[in-house]
Amino acid sequence: GAGVSQSPRYKVAKRGQDVALRCDPISGHVSLFWYQQALGQGPEFLTYFQNEAQLDKSGLPSDRFFAERPEGSVSTLKIQRTQQEDSAVYLCASSLVGDNSPLHFGNGTRLTVT
Amino acid sequence: GESVGLHLPTLSVQEGDNSIINCAYSNSASDYFIWYKQESGKGPQFIIDIRSNMDKRQGQRVTVLLNKTVKHLSLQIAATQPGDSAVYFCADPVGGGKLIFGQGTELSVKP
Repeated sequence: GAGVSQSPRYKVAKRGQDVALRCDPISGHVSLFWYQQALGQGPEFLTYFQNEAQLDKSGLPSDRFFAERPEGSVSTLKIQRTQQEDSAVYLCASSLVGDNSPLHFGNGTRLTVT
Repeated sequence: GESVGLHLPTLSVQEGDNSIINCAYSNSASDYFIWYKQESGKGPQFIIDIRSNMDKRQGQRVTVLLNKTVKHLSLQIAATQPGDSAVYFCADPVGGGKLIFGQGTELSVKP
């Protein structure tokens, strides 16, 4: 099925390394979201795109986190100089429009920083 | 601030029994809620939603009840099956598609 696809599925990084996580949303979905899910917790909002415009990045924990969606489809979440507290599952979701359209989540990228 | 909470972190039920998962919210202006199911190693999956002009909404084997007076909602699963084992989240959209998730309730179904 043509769901939200995320890669890599797992990523192990040494502290201080940069990582890039990719999200392929459902074709035609205008809105794209990134969430961070710590172990045993619910997902927490990071950032939101409508087409190529980043409309909300209030959830990004620090300036080491950067997201882009240059052509309004594929998105990349980049984390610079990774720290151990960055270890989490990073979920991408997309929807047809922003408000009150159900989000379709990918299976996430599990990032472990050693 | 905005928060969505769940009463119990874990729930264990016998196969075939009904399950009830509860959720409390703090924002009285919230007018739409969503329940998600998250299986191990997967992303959250939409189950059912409810708007504040409704008290009850039914899906296939699931029912969501909303009590706006006490700011509480519940997810009822009828005839729980092993495939229902997962973590269940209630979520409150706060605008712009952003969701506030609760911590989650892990449902275990005993055969």
